[in-house]
Amino acid sequence: NAGVTQTPKFQVLKTGQSMTLQCAQDMNHEYMSWYRQDPGMGLRLIHYSVGAGITDQGEVPNGYNVSRSTTEDFPLRLLSAAPSQTSVYFCASRQMMGTLYEQYFGPGTRLTVT
Amino acid sequence: KNEVEQSPQNLTAQEGEFITINCSYSVGISALHWLQQHPGGGIVSLFMLSSGKKKHGRLIATINIQEKHSSLHITASHPRDSAVYICAVYSGGGADGLTFGKGTHLIIQP
Repeated sequence: NAGVTQTPKFQVLKTGQSMTLQCAQDMNHEYMSWYRQDPGMGLRLIHYSVGAGITDQGEVPNGYNVSRSTTEDFPLRLLSAAPSQTSVYFCASRQMMGTLYEQYFGPGTRLTVT
Repeated sequence: KNEVEQSPQNLTAQEGEFITINCSYSVGISALHWLQQHPGGGIVSLFMLSSGKKKHGRLIATINIQEKHSSLHITASHPRDSAVYICAVYSGGGADGLTFGKGTHLIIQP
């Protein structure tokens, strides 16, 4: 299994540009999520999905869109990039097993907005 | 919302030393995770536990549910253990159910 994959690994955008961060998993997990990681802060949830066709907002959703057309893919779209979106983005997936589960993270995308 | 505090924030030690990283949380949980992140790298799950103690190689994780506290221990530390260690608690509430600590930055010097 490849686990959770993310592309690209690095990206530089100009303010106002849009782009899509790709995320895919091959473990047939129902639950997928996007986090951002900023210096001095814990991981913060952007959006999440409990299954194909179902998405919802997390703690910091503004400026981002998601969709979940298949179980495998969960892309994150930046609508109009801003310097405040400079961060490292992690996609994750998990399969709930009662209240205990294993969460798998992708390798991350380091985004710089100038 | 659960508050998760990790200590210390930064730790530098010599190779071979016994390392302890602490995690405290404010609200009852059903599971706690310890994660490892190497510089510039991805995040890997080390342990998932809801009670007692787990051991994997030189790593040991313990949790005391009554005291809302967990510790991660590294025995015979090695420079390759240098990483950020993140505690995350699952309490089932909120969007994700997960709350992450800010991490402990560990450096092991040869």
